[in-house]
Amino acid sequence: DAGVIQSPRHEVTEMGQEVTLRCKPISGHDYLFWYRQTMMRGLELLIYFNNNVPIDDSGMPEDRFSAKMPNASFSTLKIQPSEPRDSAVYFCASSFHSGSSYNEQFFGPGTRLTVL
Amino acid sequence: GNSVTQMEGPVTLSEEAFLTINCTYTATGYPSLFWYVQYPGEGLQLLLKATKADDKGSNKGFEATYRKETTSFHLEKGSVQVSDSAVYFCALSDLLDSSYKLIFGSGTRLLVRP
Repeated sequence: DAGVIQSPRHEVTEMGQEVTLRCKPISGHDYLFWYRQTMMRGLELLIYFNNNVPIDDSGMPEDRFSAKMPNASFSTLKIQPSEPRDSAVYFCASSFHSGSSYNEQFFGPGTRLTVL
Repeated sequence: GNSVTQMEGPVTLSEEAFLTINCTYTATGYPSLFWYVQYPGEGLQLLLKATKADDKGSNKGFEATYRKETTSFHLEKGSVQVSDSAVYFCALSDLLDSSYKLIFGSGTRLLVRP
């Protein structure tokens, strides 16, 4: 398997523009997580899905952020309008859980977002 | 609530030195504990894990023992290499709340000099 795929790898945009980040999880995984990483705040969980349904979006910082998972193989994180403080590396991760056992989260390579 | 506390970095060592990165946790239930590693320009990847008290996780020469009495999960390696330079994250997952979320520490940067 190719692992978790994220696109684009780098995004530079201007304040006020809409930004869409994309993620393709590992086939067969039923959980998908979106994280944001900054020097100041470290690694933050933004939202996660189970079987394409959002379970917990309490980490989404503002209404400017939204995430969707229209099917098991695709998710998007959208920021509209973007602001300079949104500059960060955004990671997508996926995992598979059978019963109560824990299985590791597999991370994508991340999208480095710069908002000017 | 659940939380993870790691020692501040960066940690700078010479090659072949002994490594310890401290990690302590607070959890309301019965957490599983993990160490993830992030190499430059990459995403996080699982290094090792332990799912119950007294378990020892090990991988690539790294070890960590789940100590319930001290609520700790310190990462150790007997002889580090330059290639171990990375950021290391301690994390927990508490299934008591039926969630598969990971709670991460702030990360500790390790720099190994030749």
